[in-house]
Amino acid sequence: QKEVEQNSGPLSVPEGAIASLNCTYSDRGSQSFFWYRQYSGKSPELIMSIYSNGDKEDGRFTAQLNKASQYVSLLIRDSQPSDSATYLCAVGIIQGAQKLVFGQGTRLTINP
Amino acid sequence: DAGITQSPRHKVTETGTPVTLRCHQTENHRYMYWYRQDPGHGLRLIHYSYGVKDTDKGEVSDGYSVSRSKTEDFLLTLESATSSQTSVYFCAISRTSGNNEQFFGPGTRLTVL
Repeated sequence: QKEVEQNSGPLSVPEGAIASLNCTYSDRGSQSFFWYRQYSGKSPELIMSIYSNGDKEDGRFTAQLNKASQYVSLLIRDSQPSDSATYLCAVGIIQGAQKLVFGQGTRLTINP
Repeated sequence: DAGITQSPRHKVTETGTPVTLRCHQTENHRYMYWYRQDPGHGLRLIHYSYGVKDTDKGEVSDGYSVSRSKTEDFLLTLESATSSQTSVYFCAISRTSGNNEQFFGPGTRLTVL
């Protein structure tokens, strides 16, 4: 069973709308959660980190964490064409050294 | 910018040849990682290092070896490249102990013919 699951999409959202990206994970002991944005042909870029239950906002981005449901999401408000990218969910695992497990990524397209 | 460079950025090689990819960082970070990224599989950890000469295997380590003789350099070696190792390889660093944030280099696109 894959440890981090994301809907691979593609997800298509009109410009100005809210884009909602979801991720579930299997390790109940996980304590750190991340969202990366990856443009085509580029490397992943960290856009959000969240460590405790609830919401964390940074500009147009909001990360939401629910450890009881083992669920983390990313909301992008006022979506722009420049938000079109693949979004990767990553979960920190507890095995001594710091390691992350990544989901497959969700491809997001913002339509003007 | 986490001060990470990778070399080469692109490489085409033939099956059976050895290949070494280099990751170089300028900020003295303790943790370094090698991932591969393939369509349908996302990012998968190959090997990682938690200090000079301290390395361990990730989930897809078969066919790969690593070395870290200096803090700033983490080398990934394919002893005998196979077509299944055609991929994009990313190096990453983790800046501090405890928060798990990782930052990625620009990547190396490797094609094994």
